[in-house]
Amino acid sequence: EVVLTQSPDFQSVTPKEKVTITCRASQSIGAGLHWYQQKPHQSPKLLIKYASQSFSGVPSRFSGSGSGTDFTLTINGLEAEDGATYFCYQSSTLPWTFGQGTKLEIK
Amino acid sequence: QITLKESGPTMVKPTQTLTLTCTFSGFSLSTHGVGVGWIRQSPGKALEWLALIYWDDDKRYSPSLKTRLTITQDTSEKKVVLTMTNMDPVDTATYYCAHRRIGESDAFDFWGPGTVVIVSS
Repeated sequence: EVVLTQSPDFQSVTPKEKVTITCRASQSIGAGLHWYQQKPHQSPKLLIKYASQSFSGVPSRFSGSGSGTDFTLTINGLEAEDGATYFCYQSSTLPWTFGQGTKLEIK
Repeated sequence: QITLKESGPTMVKPTQTLTLTCTFSGFSLSTHGVGVGWIRQSPGKALEWLALIYWDDDKRYSPSLKTRLTITQDTSEKKVVLTMTNMDPVDTATYYCAHRRIGESDAFDFWGPGTVVIVSS
């Protein structure tokens, strides 16, 4: 099973800041890595597919990069509405797995 | 517009079988590449993929839960059903169904709102 490890687990940030969340896979998964945003009491929403492609309707301040085992989600110009938990997810190898999540708190 | 919605019991007793239904619209499970999957999230914890069924009735299961899970589809009714046997309090979670399409994103791109299941005697 591919284990996805995110860092940090928690980050307190101020609006307009640039935020970087990393996801490391226990084995190479090519570009089969995707990012989600989940707000309290809501279902996850897809932000980035295939490591770097923006999903339809997602604000341009969200971007992704990486391949193989190391991936990054970047939020440029954080907004108050971005306070949420972010998960990475791999679709490269069964069983499909998720990272443990990174909670962003807006100061 | 793709939408999905989960339904089922809010509470089940230990050892009972859980049956959840995902009712969807805006796509067809007969279309090549399309799948519907189930994912759960225990309180305050990460997401766990459970099972998926494809347009051609091919099925995939999480190895850790495979012996307890069955996923089926009713294409005409636009429903996917997940059954989980021998429920335990550790299975208490929010259960989501979600759409996936091979080659388009390979991720679960549209999710239902989720349904809470509590396992307690």
